[in-house]
Amino acid sequence: GAVVSQHPSWVICKSGTSVKIECRSLDFQATTMFWYRQFPKQSLMLMATSNEGSKATYEQGVEKDKFLINHASLTLSTLTVTSAHPEDSSFYICSARDSLGSSPLHFGNGTRLTVT
Amino acid sequence: AQTVTQSQPEMSVQEAETVTLSCTYDTSESDYYLFWYKQPPSRQMILVIRQEAYKQQNATENRFSVNFQKAAKSFSLKISDSQLGDAAMYFCAYRFPYGGATNKLIFGTGTLLAVQP
Repeated sequence: GAVVSQHPSWVICKSGTSVKIECRSLDFQATTMFWYRQFPKQSLMLMATSNEGSKATYEQGVEKDKFLINHASLTLSTLTVTSAHPEDSSFYICSARDSLGSSPLHFGNGTRLTVT
Repeated sequence: AQTVTQSQPEMSVQEAETVTLSCTYDTSESDYYLFWYKQPPSRQMILVIRQEAYKQQNATENRFSVNFQKAAKSFSLKISDSQLGDAAMYFCAYRFPYGGATNKLIFGTGTLLAVQP
């Protein structure tokens, strides 16, 4: 089945630094990838939609300058948390879909970010 | 805007028994997809079952089945013969059928299911 690889699975960084999270579709081409954020015991909140070769579409309330998304190829999207602060600590999950309209989304394993 | 509501924050079921998780949604669309995802402690999102809105027949996947009531905008999940491995957070989700940005999933708030041995 379709596999989405997300890396790293966990990361600890100091306040003020930036961290990059990668999301790769391993066996299919993903023209669209989605980035979600999940706080403990809460639901997944969509942050942005990443479109290959174009600018990402951000959900209302998400700072595009803080959460930089790049989708440079059909198999890779990256989320960079810039100038991270402790309140950015969260679980980030990416998902991707292949070209078939009826296919479900495939999720990465998530990245736990801790900002100290 | 589309919304998904799960009114049961937590549920508990005895092993081998049956449990039903509720989900309602709001949309003005006539064609869409509905999903149930399971998130165990590993936090990996696992697709449990899906339903296309144009299909009248309720979807089933082994011990998992749904009761899809389109007019009532209700989409409940029934787990039969519950197993310890079914313990997880369950999310109901809504998705447009079209491609691109509108293909995003909108999740409910989740129901934490505990399975008692």
